Amino acid sequence: GAGVSQSPSNKVTEKGKDVELRCDPISGHTALYWYRQSLGQGLEFLIYFQGNSAPDKSGLPSDRFSAERTGGSVSTLTIQRTQQEDSAVYLCASSLTGRSQPQHFGDGTRLSIL
Amino acid sequence: GENVEQHPSTLSVQEGDSAVIKCTYSDSASNYFPWYKQELGKRPQLIIDIRSNVGEKKDQRIAVTLNKTAKHFSLHITETQPEDSAVYFCAASGAQAGTALIFGKGTTLSVSS
Repeated sequence: GAGVSQSPSNKVTEKGKDVELRCDPISGHTALYWYRQSLGQGLEFLIYFQGNSAPDKSGLPSDRFSAERTGGSVSTLTIQRTQQEDSAVYLCASSLTGRSQPQHFGDGTRLSIL
Repeated sequence: GENVEQHPSTLSVQEGDSAVIKCTYSDSASNYFPWYKQELGKRPQLIIDIRSNVGEKKDQRIAVTLNKTAKHFSLHITETQPEDSAVYFCAASGAQAGTALIFGKGTTLSVSS
């Protein structure tokens, strides 16, 4: 595809519900990253996928957060039992490889927890 | 782990002036330093990057300098225009495969005409 695609663009849900966010990286990019951006804040690393290697989950804030990447392409970030502090924009990025390569971002999913 | 500090948090300049944003990093193993521009409600866009084997890189009105010894790097924008108004983020990452970008907290640049 032309760029990183994320869906949905906006998601509003009630506290305690589970949500799934989707990321479709640039075709051919082997590395995929998830970041979180709270209002007026910088980008916080969540998780990283590189090829078939085990993902780097070191940025996940709690065990309510998980992610998978099927077939080395599309990735899904799942947040279980959502809390109000989970409200943020979730950004996905991909790069050609995981070694010091430019990362290209999607438009993000704006998640609002009521 | 890596820590990136960015200053100033806000910067206001007149159109045509220069703007400088500075970042420091903590991990001497970091070797890749991109800068992103994010307009309100939009995705971060890569505007320039530099690797540790280079001291300076320029692209039209934008330049980045890197001082490995002092572990700091700076973004320079010359002849600023109103459309340069945005939030700018610096970032750093290491040499190992899978090293994610660690971002500064951002600088809000306002260019008034």
